Amino acid sequence: DQQVKQNSPSLSVQEGRISILNCDYTNSMFDYFLWYKKYPAEGPTFLISISSIKDKNEDGRFTVFLNKSAKHLSLHIVPSQPGDSAVYFCAASPSSNTGKLIFGQGTTLQVKP
Amino acid sequence: SAVISQKPSRDICQRGTSLTIQCQVDSQVTMMFWYRQQPGQSLTLIATANQGSEATYESGFVIDKFPISRPNLTFSTLTVSNMSPEDSSIYLCSVEVSRSTGELFFGEGSRLTVL
Repeated sequence: DQQVKQNSPSLSVQEGRISILNCDYTNSMFDYFLWYKKYPAEGPTFLISISSIKDKNEDGRFTVFLNKSAKHLSLHIVPSQPGDSAVYFCAASPSSNTGKLIFGQGTTLQVKP
Repeated sequence: SAVISQKPSRDICQRGTSLTIQCQVDSQVTMMFWYRQQPGQSLTLIATANQGSEATYESGFVIDKFPISRPNLTFSTLTVSNMSPEDSSIYLCSVEVSRSTGELFFGEGSRLTVL
């Protein structure tokens, strides 16, 4: 069963506008949630994380929102830039499993100039 | 953050053969993690490589298919044995950045295509 789901395989936005990437999860025992960005032929790179006890974390153009009651999180990128075009993975970290991040399927973001 | 070097970066392999992927980290780390990303899929943890002990495998992955070595605190290898086209994937080595958040740092990956 897929514990972390990204239901939108792709998203296209105009440069300067907001990009919103969504992620749903099923396990209420996850401690942290993380977003990674992946360019072709590169490994995933960490973007931002949020603790399960918070509802928002902001870092520059990136903000992650967590809605625990809905088991939903989202990554907002504003303003979006063409260099943001990549695959974005949502991941969840179980409290008891070091190194075991559970990833969603990814959403391909295209930011058009 | 750490510097992780993986070799090979990509390879094309014949069915039934085996390939060993190397992962070198520029600092000593207790645990190294091997992930797989099948085409169009999410990343899945294969196993955790501990220095001085056998690797710990996740459900669905076995040592005979994915033997792992961890001879020291900066190096690990993953072998994909008796490959079939279903093994065509990106294999990624990673190390822990933060125990509290679970953040991992990934190498650039090894893209294997099995014909």
